[in-house]
Amino acid sequence: DAGITQSPRHKVTETGTPVTLRCHQTENHRYMYWYRQDPGHGLRLIHYSYGVKDTDKGEVSDGYSVSRSKTEDFLLTLESATSSQTSVYFCAIGQNNEKLFFGSGTQLSVL
Amino acid sequence: AQTVTQSQPEMSVQEAETVTLSCTYDTSESNYYLFWYKQPPSRQMILVIRQEAYKQQNATENRFSVNFQKAAKSFSLKISDSQLGDTAMYFCAFMSGFFYNQGGKLIFGQGTELSVKP
Repeated sequence: DAGITQSPRHKVTETGTPVTLRCHQTENHRYMYWYRQDPGHGLRLIHYSYGVKDTDKGEVSDGYSVSRSKTEDFLLTLESATSSQTSVYFCAIGQNNEKLFFGSGTQLSVL
Repeated sequence: AQTVTQSQPEMSVQEAETVTLSCTYDTSESNYYLFWYKQPPSRQMILVIRQEAYKQQNATENRFSVNFQKAAKSFSLKISDSQLGDTAMYFCAFMSGFFYNQGGKLIFGQGTELSVKP
């Protein structure tokens, strides 16, 4: 299995609080992605990174920000969490080909 | 923009039988990849099978095979000899072949929940 770790695995928070999810990889892959999974929508891309400090928006980026200060870490931040951001969040990594590897996901509940 | 559609939210099949999951997609590109991912209750995303658009031959992986119809933009997954362990959510996904311009982004369908019954 690819070395990709998401933390935390579960989190419950309150509306209006900031939340940061972490994705850590040991594969030295260039590309990193954050997806959210919701019933009826599959997985949708939030943000992605194509290098250190190089990031771009995905399909559902509103309310989210990301940072990548090191190759191995990609952080997803919800500045002020809302109930609509209750979801399962997946990180994925990739190199210069079509093979992506996924983390085990973070279940986030915003109450 | 590319889209992927899975029109079957739920399906069920008896153990040892064959089931086909449907997927259609929309793109103006000629070079791309298509995937089927399996997500069991553990939530892990597992790559089942991959198809390169420029290859006419349908991909197969053991009991899993695809029917790739490029002109119709259809990419169905056939599971033969279904097993209880095949119970999972299945996602169809698209990736542009222009990797460097598109950043290797996967576009997913809505998913099909498959139940294999004993």
